[in-house]
Amino acid sequence: EPEVTQTPSHQVTQMGQEVILRCVPISNHLYFYWYRQILGQKVEFLVSFYNNEISEKSEIFDDQFSVERPDGSNFTLKIRSTKLEDSAMYFCASTKGQSTYNEQFFGPGTRLTVL
Amino acid sequence: GNSVTQMEGPVTLSEEAFLTINCTYTATGYPSLFWYVQYPGEGLQLLLKATKADDKGSNKGFEATYRKETTSFHLEKGSVQVSDSAVYFCAQSYSSASKIIFGSGTRLSIRP
Repeated sequence: EPEVTQTPSHQVTQMGQEVILRCVPISNHLYFYWYRQILGQKVEFLVSFYNNEISEKSEIFDDQFSVERPDGSNFTLKIRSTKLEDSAMYFCASTKGQSTYNEQFFGPGTRLTVL
Repeated sequence: GNSVTQMEGPVTLSEEAFLTINCTYTATGYPSLFWYVQYPGEGLQLLLKATKADDKGSNKGFEATYRKETTSFHLEKGSVQVSDSAVYFCAQSYSSASKIIFGSGTRLSIRP
């Protein structure tokens, strides 16, 4: 069964460093998302991406964040200068389209630890 | 704005007990409603969904009914198993392409 994959599973970085989190969505999906979950808290929407541009972003997704689909398979989230409060589990998701019969499929997540 | 409120955890039950996890939502219009499950060390999996009022979503013995009049989508299971131990998230979305708004999650632990 097709699945969303994410790498790495765990990333440890120093405050102020840049990190890139990688996702490979399901191959025939057109809409892509990043969510994050700070330990013990709710899952929060960060950004959605369609047709090579951001379609919606949350207040969390400030200038330190960017997303890119550099080729036909990868979808990346970059944090330019990490802060301690960026420590969280980051989930990538994808869906085929807008029909209510579709669903967003989530990857297993990347745990980001900022020291 | 749109939001989801679910009962605080953790919830601890004995095997074969009846489970209810309450969820209410606020929304403009009529979103689709979901329950997601997160097993230890894993990502989010869609457990069930309902797309319109009075729809009942069901999967793996779990059920939830979309109640427009009470803006609720409570999760129920008649007889829980140890393998049901996980964190359960109630959520809403206007379409599969829209952002999902999650509740805070309820941790469920089942004792053998």
